[in-house]
Amino acid sequence: EAGVVQSPRYKIIEKKQPVAFWCNPISGHNTLYWYRQNLGQGPELLIRYENEEAVDDSQLPKDRFSAERLKGVDSTLKIQPAELGDSAVYLCASSLGTVTYNEQFFGPGTRLTVL
Amino acid sequence: QKEVEQNSGPLSVPEGAIASLNCTYSDRGSQSFFWYRQYSGKSPELIMSIYSNGDKEDGRFTAQLNKASQYVSLLIRDSQPSDSATYLCAVYPGGGSYIPTFGRGTSLIVHP
Repeated sequence: EAGVVQSPRYKIIEKKQPVAFWCNPISGHNTLYWYRQNLGQGPELLIRYENEEAVDDSQLPKDRFSAERLKGVDSTLKIQPAELGDSAVYLCASSLGTVTYNEQFFGPGTRLTVL
Repeated sequence: QKEVEQNSGPLSVPEGAIASLNCTYSDRGSQSFFWYRQYSGKSPELIMSIYSNGDKEDGRFTAQLNKASQYVSLLIRDSQPSDSATYLCAVYPGGGSYIPTFGRGTSLIVHP
């Protein structure tokens, strides 16, 4: 069974440029998470989707970040414009659901460097 | 602000020894607790989950939970160099919230 797929794996951009990350969760996983992980820190949740509905997005900086999960499968996270402080690893995870605290499976992440 | 505290380490143990990793949390209503392992440059992978007070064993790993004292620990018996990684503690609050709070992780080094 394929795991969570993310692309690109690495991205280097200049500040004020836009950037987008893509995630394809494990087949059948209804819940999708986007996390940001700074160096030496644990992952911080940005947004959680139940199917196509964003149910937890309180920590998403909505002035510059946006996300979508059309059709309830793959998802895109966008930053526009990027700032120096956005440099981090962006992790996508998926789980079967949240009726119970199901195991989250993480993708390999996208390492973003903003110059 | 719900907090999860971990000593960043590094914790260095010799091969074959028991490694003890600790995590404390601030939200007394927290219900579910997870330990993840993260190798350098890789994504986190789940090692264990624990929900009730006491010990839970899985192979060389034992998770211990004490809700009264608000701490959860992970013991790794017969530590191997391949166990060298950062171990992240994740805590889910109660009240139906599905937003986990991760600690910053403890770096473990197992030397031959």
